[in-house]
Amino acid sequence: NAGVMQNPRHLVRRRGQEARLRCSPMKGHSHVYWYRQLPEEGLKFMVYLQKENIIDESGMPKERFSAEFPKEGPSILRIQQVVRGDSAAYFCASSPFPGVSNSPLHFGNGTRLTVT
Amino acid sequence: DQQVKQNSPSLSVQEGRISILNCDYTNSMFDYFLWYKKYPAEGPTFLISISSIKDKNEDGRFTVFLNKSAKHLSLHIVPSQPGDSAVYFCAASGLQGAQKLVFGQGTRLTINP
Repeated sequence: NAGVMQNPRHLVRRRGQEARLRCSPMKGHSHVYWYRQLPEEGLKFMVYLQKENIIDESGMPKERFSAEFPKEGPSILRIQQVVRGDSAAYFCASSPFPGVSNSPLHFGNGTRLTVT
Repeated sequence: DQQVKQNSPSLSVQEGRISILNCDYTNSMFDYFLWYKKYPAEGPTFLISISSIKDKNEDGRFTVFLNKSAKHLSLHIVPSQPGDSAVYFCAASGLQGAQKLVFGQGTRLTINP
């Protein structure tokens, strides 16, 4: 499967625990985007990363959330001390080139985080 | 501050007829618009897009219309097929290109046989 791979598909955490969501972009794509979808809402941009660089984190909550895309391995979205309001579907997308209008994002199937 | 709005949460259409999904936006800086289709438990799949320099783009059964003066776009599907039943998201982007997207809330389309 050459698509965007996210794991785990489902993640259950108790309040106060940490959640780690992983994303492997499509082959040849070096730009990764994280979006969050709260229940009954559209997707909302969180962060845009290139390898070893955070390009735009304007959509990330100020506390408890962090993201990285190391030189080797998948991109990680980390949520510390989760709260019930973090329950959502988290989607990762990748693109070969940034800022190109004819290069739409390819999304993974998401990680559904449930905080109990 | 909902910059992209899809005012119809759901739409039901008979198979073979035309489906029209609507989307309004408020930010005049948006210059690129996309429609994504989403099945349950899957990620959004790109369907069709349109640049602000055009007013229509067609791809098979799917046509997107853009009315810049009204800040309105619509997606037409004709003829509608049962496999088109899904949630459709309108999305917009500005100078950053097609990647930093602002999404609408989605419209659930049901095609009835």
